[in-house]
Amino acid sequence: EIVMTQSPATLSVSPGERATLFCKTSQRVSSNVAWFQHRPGQAPRLLIYGASTRATDIPARFSGSGSGTEFTLTISSLQSEDFAVYFCHQYNTWPWTFGRGTKVEIK
Amino acid sequence: QVQLVESGGGLVKPGGSLRLSCAASGFTFSDYYMSWIRQTPGKGLEWVSYITGSGRTIDYADSLKGRISISRDNAKNSVYLQMNSLRAEDTAYYYCARGVPPVDWGQGTLVTVSS
Repeated sequence: EIVMTQSPATLSVSPGERATLFCKTSQRVSSNVAWFQHRPGQAPRLLIYGASTRATDIPARFSGSGSGTEFTLTISSLQSEDFAVYFCHQYNTWPWTFGRGTKVEIK
Repeated sequence: QVQLVESGGGLVKPGGSLRLSCAASGFTFSDYYMSWIRQTPGKGLEWVSYITGSGRTIDYADSLKGRISISRDNAKNSVYLQMNSLRAEDTAYYYCARGVPPVDWGQGTLVTVSS
């Protein structure tokens, strides 16, 4: 199965700063990568699909890039509600797999 | 708005069975793949199974093949996961999700396998 490696495991950022999260896949997955936000006690929320397309109602401060095996999620200016766990996901090859997540915490 | 509500989780002894249900609303249910995804502290997120809108195509994670069965009832806007021969390592939050990639997720239902 395709392994998704996310880095860093934890990212400490001040509100208003930029956060860059990375995801590397063990095999090429074209652009079939999605990013999710997961806050405690809530359902995961789709942010990005197709590596770079924002999902419905997702603010423009969230952007995704990459293809092949290396992908990035950037949050341009962190808001208080953005402190959460983010995980990447490939849906190119079954079994579809997820990264272990990056926790974005307040610095 | 889309709602996915899971039920059926709980405490079960090793070797036991559970049937999870997910009631969907707010969209044309038969148009969408539906899936079960689980989350554990140890292994993170794992895609358990999916079923296409018609129900004709199904697949399962290798770690669960032979022990689980996914089904759907498009008349009732519901998807189900029958889990048998449960093991301690099946302890997890089980989420119902719509689409691939999953656009919407339920809140999850906790399955605890313990004696």
